[in-house]
Amino acid sequence: EDKVVQSPLSLVVHEGDTVTLNCSYEVTNFRSLLWYKQEKKAPTFLFMLTSSGIEKKSGRLSSILDKKELSSILNITATQTGDSAIYLCAFSGTYKYIFGTGTRLKVLA
Amino acid sequence: DTAVSQTPKYLVTQMGNDKSIKCEQNLGHDTMYWYKQDSKKFLKIMFSYNNKELIINETVPNRFSPKSPDKAHLNLHINSLELGDSAVYFCASSQDRETQPQHFGDGTRLSIL
Repeated sequence: EDKVVQSPLSLVVHEGDTVTLNCSYEVTNFRSLLWYKQEKKAPTFLFMLTSSGIEKKSGRLSSILDKKELSSILNITATQTGDSAIYLCAFSGTYKYIFGTGTRLKVLA
Repeated sequence: DTAVSQTPKYLVTQMGNDKSIKCEQNLGHDTMYWYKQDSKKFLKIMFSYNNKELIINETVPNRFSPKSPDKAHLNLHINSLELGDSAVYFCASSQDRETQPQHFGDGTRLSIL
């Protein structure tokens, strides 16, 4: 059965810290891996990764995929209180997207 | 100019009632989805439609029936509501079924009394 596992489940850090969120997957027909940020309402798209080893970057956030290890990481440097959210990882396979359970990040001022 | 809009935002109703949630997207996407997010924030796919055609129907009770009158709309009707149906229901859309990110609506919080 296809599945996505995220770790840690929750994390509390102080402003300025760097965090690394992990996502591992077991899939039968991998197409892409996606990261989303969910604050109060809808998940919002961060990154889509299809190729191994190529880092995607947006400001203080970056992500990379390792197809050999069937995993991806999301890094956030110099964290801010506005980064507090649930970070969801999803993979797309045959006609569907499977989401992980998410990592709840809280950044303290 | 909201991309994916759902109505209503909140729905509070009694067990046994029938209710509908509407979803519309103005992105011109071909594929639309319904997800259920439980209290632990786990987002689980329920249905997926591509060009009005049902392509995914996960293990969902048949009290849940999606309807897609056209490519831009995907509604969800729920019969005989049960306590376990309490959750946030998200509609989403994407350009294709596998390689493009999904855009989510703001969710409908369903509470069963």
